[in-house]
Amino acid sequence: GQSLEQPSEVTAVEGAIVQINCTYQTSGFYGLSWYQQHDGGAPTFLSYNALDGLEETGRFSSFLSRSDSYGYLLLQELQMKDSASYFCASPDTGRRALTFGSGTRLQVQP
Amino acid sequence: DAGVTQSPTHLIKTRGQQVTLRCSPKSGHDTVSWYQQALGQGPQFIFQYYEEEERQRGNFPDRFSGHQFPNYSSELNVNALLLGDSALYLCASSPLDSNYGYTFGSGTRLTVV
Repeated sequence: GQSLEQPSEVTAVEGAIVQINCTYQTSGFYGLSWYQQHDGGAPTFLSYNALDGLEETGRFSSFLSRSDSYGYLLLQELQMKDSASYFCASPDTGRRALTFGSGTRLQVQP
Repeated sequence: DAGVTQSPTHLIKTRGQQVTLRCSPKSGHDTVSWYQQALGQGPQFIFQYYEEEERQRGNFPDRFSGHQFPNYSSELNVNALLLGDSALYLCASSPLDSNYGYTFGSGTRLTVV
């Protein structure tokens, strides 16, 4: 089976940097993805790490360490619109199902 | 380019009833997966369809069934509804065996009373 753990809530101020961590336990590993979901909205794909290291996409970056079974999402220059839930997710062994963490609710304050 | 479209957006049903939810995948995607998301939780995998066949199923009872049509659209059926089935039901489409980059719809909010 697979399990992914992340903090339930993070609060930060506009313009700051915030890091959302994710630790995982998987029987096979096919990479770590991050999704953003605003209240009432669709989860939206943000980034994917298959190999160790940092992937950068604009204000968002994602990091993976397979030896530590750990990854994080880094959000820079926070904006109010970044207030949302963020999920880490990983494909199962058959690469047919995504297992999601329980989500981290980010509140950006002025 | 339309993304994933789900209907209806909201639904209220009574315990014991049956419900059908619909999903049209993103253009170019041939694989459709369904997820259940309880309030404050991450999505839970229900099943995945490809070439009109169920490829994999998550830990959900047989009351949950699905179908995929030749145009890749899909339906999720839930029989004998329970109060605990109240959730957001998400459809996701992807190319076959994609590890990432799933496109999700906005979901159907099902309330069972």
